[in-house]
Amino acid sequence: NAGVTQTPKFRILKIGQSMTLQCTQDMNHNYMYWYRQDPGMGLKLIYYSVGAGITDKGEVPNGYNVSRSTTEDFPLRLELAAPSQTSVYFCASSSQTGLEYDGYTFGSGTRLTVV
Amino acid sequence: GDSVTQMEGPVTLSEEAFLTINCTYTATGYPSLFWYVQYPGEGLQLLLKATKADDKGSNKGFEATYRKETTSFHLEKGSVQVSDSAVYFCALSDGGTSYGKLTFGQGTILTVHP
Repeated sequence: NAGVTQTPKFRILKIGQSMTLQCTQDMNHNYMYWYRQDPGMGLKLIYYSVGAGITDKGEVPNGYNVSRSTTEDFPLRLELAAPSQTSVYFCASSSQTGLEYDGYTFGSGTRLTVV
Repeated sequence: GDSVTQMEGPVTLSEEAFLTINCTYTATGYPSLFWYVQYPGEGLQLLLKATKADDKGSNKGFEATYRKETTSFHLEKGSVQVSDSAVYFCALSDGGTSYGKLTFGQGTILTVHP
């Protein structure tokens, strides 16, 4: 059982370039999330999705876009990369059934540097 | 809105010392509370959770008790090991229409020396 898989693990972008961070989960979770982690700042929610075809903005969505065409995949698109987007990006998924909630399963992260 | 505040870090301890990492929260309703751990170069992993007041979550020697009266969920371990060196995050889920979203504290870096 692979859980949440993120690719690539590392990437260096030049200012103004674009890229897509991939995220796939095989647990049939309905909820998926993208966070960025900056040093000493905890995790900030970029976008989230409650199911295929449904996405919504989180706390820091500017400069990013997402899509959710299937339950499994939730790619994050960076357009016109800026140095402020240098960060570690985490994808996560979760499933809530009944009253019990087990929180997130996280991917291993993508370390992005914009130069 | 919801918020989670963790004690200022980093925390440096010797092996076998007692560990406390403080966590307090602000939330509407009755949140579920979590501790996540992040080892170097890895993603976050669920360490323990508690879903209602007075519940105690425990795992790998770590414990935390959901205290509604003090809005706290402090993490404790009686005897830390070098292998416990990691970043620890407190988080809450407010349930309801939050779609499972977690609100995280800023994280506390723990370093354990032999």
